[in-house]
Amino acid sequence: TQLLEQSPQFLSIQEGENLTVYCNSSSVFSSLQWYRQEPGEGPVLLVTVVTGGEVKKLKRLTFQFGDARKDSSLHITAAQPGDTGLYLCAGATGYQKVTFGTGTKLQVIP
Amino acid sequence: NAGVTQTPKFRVLKTGQSMTLLCAQDMNHEYMYWYRQDPGMGLRLIHYSVGEGTTAKGEVPDGYNVSRLKKQNFLLGLESAAPSQTSVYFCASSTRDRGSTEAFFGQGTRLTVV
Repeated sequence: TQLLEQSPQFLSIQEGENLTVYCNSSSVFSSLQWYRQEPGEGPVLLVTVVTGGEVKKLKRLTFQFGDARKDSSLHITAAQPGDTGLYLCAGATGYQKVTFGTGTKLQVIP
Repeated sequence: NAGVTQTPKFRVLKTGQSMTLLCAQDMNHEYMYWYRQDPGMGLRLIHYSVGEGTTAKGEVPDGYNVSRLKKQNFLLGLESAAPSQTSVYFCASSTRDRGSTEAFFGQGTRLTVV
């Protein structure tokens, strides 16, 4: 079974700080998605990246796909309490072959 | 628009009991999935369906069965529950292969097997 390692596993920061979450694998992905999951809810898609080196921005969130398409990062600028949640990456290697990462639990303290 | 609805939201089972989890989607999606989520393990695919009347095994299918008799419904069955099946179960649906499009998730079912 492929493994998508996310780091850090847990992150507790003050409101206004910046942070980066990493998603790493030895596999090459055709696409990679980032989801956010709030307590008691299912994951919600934030972004999909498909091209090596691709950078996408969603307000204060910046997503980057590694050049070799084996890794990705999520950077949050000036974190807000509303950013609190579990962040999951999910990499696709083929038809119906999607692996989810282990997750990063973020807590933003007001 | 309800999206993906899971029933029930919580359940406690005794070892050996059976139960069925129901997933309903109102978005006319072809693809539907059942996942389990465990701490430190991410989401793991149990079974999936690419259309009405079809099902396929995912990463962790043992101990589970599924049926997709209607396009909008995807049922997950546990014939003889075991403590190792204690988990949070999520149903999801998508228009195409989940690697190339957004998957919409339900709110989850928290199952405890004692």
